[in-house]
Amino acid sequence: DSGVTQTPKHLITATGQRVTLRCSPRSGDLSVYWYQQSLDQGLQFLIQYYNGEERAKGNILERFSAQQFPDLHSELNLSSLELGDSALYFCASSEGGAGETQYFGPGTRLLVL
Amino acid sequence: KNQVEQSPQSLIILEGKNCTLQCNYTVSPFSNLRWYKQDTGRGPVSLTIMTFSENTKSNGRYTATLDADTKQSSLHITASQLSDSASYICVVSDGRIKAAGNKLTFGGGTRVLVKP
Repeated sequence: DSGVTQTPKHLITATGQRVTLRCSPRSGDLSVYWYQQSLDQGLQFLIQYYNGEERAKGNILERFSAQQFPDLHSELNLSSLELGDSALYFCASSEGGAGETQYFGPGTRLLVL
Repeated sequence: KNQVEQSPQSLIILEGKNCTLQCNYTVSPFSNLRWYKQDTGRGPVSLTIMTFSENTKSNGRYTATLDADTKQSSLHITASQLSDSASYICVVSDGRIKAAGNKLTFGGGTRVLVKP
């Protein structure tokens, strides 16, 4: 158990819909990272927040957005969903802002039908 | 452009045998290199982390090596077990200042299948 929690574990929705994925980092960690992993693909970095502020952006679509709240939990919002958005979405946390070991949550499996 | 290449893409080995996975990177400036193990459908778990000055690091039956001159790393699995079946991901961090945010470059992973 990494100490990072993600909800929900599974999510099934239809194209065009909007969903919100939630992540609680390890106690004391200030950074939260979001990753997408499509079937049999590598991890794709989406976005990082550090202490409530966006710190780095990766391959995140404009239809996706995220935020980190004062209690340091984070939400990833996916809108106008397409079939290709079906993937595992991982959240990771680390103590600081860059380069440290990231601790990954169990992931949310999203299926868009 | 920073890149991390892993080989082979997949590997099948018999239980009890050893294997070695390769990671070549072009990340600059270099800060550290990690190996993660990812079981199918689960989040990656850190196995080892090495900085520029370290050339070997062990974690149980996993031993990672680093050659910063040739920009290569390897992960050696000794006496493989069925539970070693997973993807192994090489991740390299660049050496920018800490405030600059996430600077990790992920390799595509090597999928290892251990057969009885």
